[in-house]
Amino acid sequence: SQQGEEDPQALSIQEGENATMNCSYKTSINNLQWYRQNSGRGLVHLILIRSNEREKHSGRLRVTLDTSKKSSSLLITASRAADTASYFCATDASQFYFGTGTSLTVIP
Amino acid sequence: GAVVSQHPSWVICKSGTSVKIECRSLDFQATTMFWYRQFPKQSLMLMATSNEGSKATYEQGVEKDKFLINHASLTLSTLTVTSAHPEDSSFYICSASPGQRLYGYTFGSGTRLTVV
Repeated sequence: SQQGEEDPQALSIQEGENATMNCSYKTSINNLQWYRQNSGRGLVHLILIRSNEREKHSGRLRVTLDTSKKSSSLLITASRAADTASYFCATDASQFYFGTGTSLTVIP
Repeated sequence: GAVVSQHPSWVICKSGTSVKIECRSLDFQATTMFWYRQFPKQSLMLMATSNEGSKATYEQGVEKDKFLINHASLTLSTLTVTSAHPEDSSFYICSASPGQRLYGYTFGSGTRLTVV
């Protein structure tokens, strides 16, 4: 399948630190998206990066895409306790698949 | 804009009964909607692609007779879990894209189904 895989699966950091999550996928994509999910809730779209883009910023979020390595990273700078959530990458090719997710815990 | 409403947000039903979950795009038309299932602490698994006016496309391993999908209009898709069993208990989420998949997807808030 096209499913992406994030690492690490779980990440625990202190408030104020940066958090980096990585995503790898298997085949060519149209774009890659990152989503956030608070426990037991729906998903919130964070950022979309197209296959011809290498880096994108949105507030404290920075996403990079390396299509040659079929990987992407999500960096959250100056983390806050409210950033505690699961983060998923999703690849959009012929189908739309989610990665396995990274559970981020930001300790106040 | 781009709001997807999912209803109900939670439901408890008895084994053997059927449950219908609705997914509506409130401010855009969606010829395609997607249904996902999520087990605790796991990722979302695509169950099926709902196509307006035609049959849904199911992912491998998903029973089409178990999970009935109807996409009767450009703003509504329904998922019916038939003859529910406790192992059907899960979190179900729908999504749709307002912009020809160029601008990401909007997700419903999800439905937590508990079968007792």
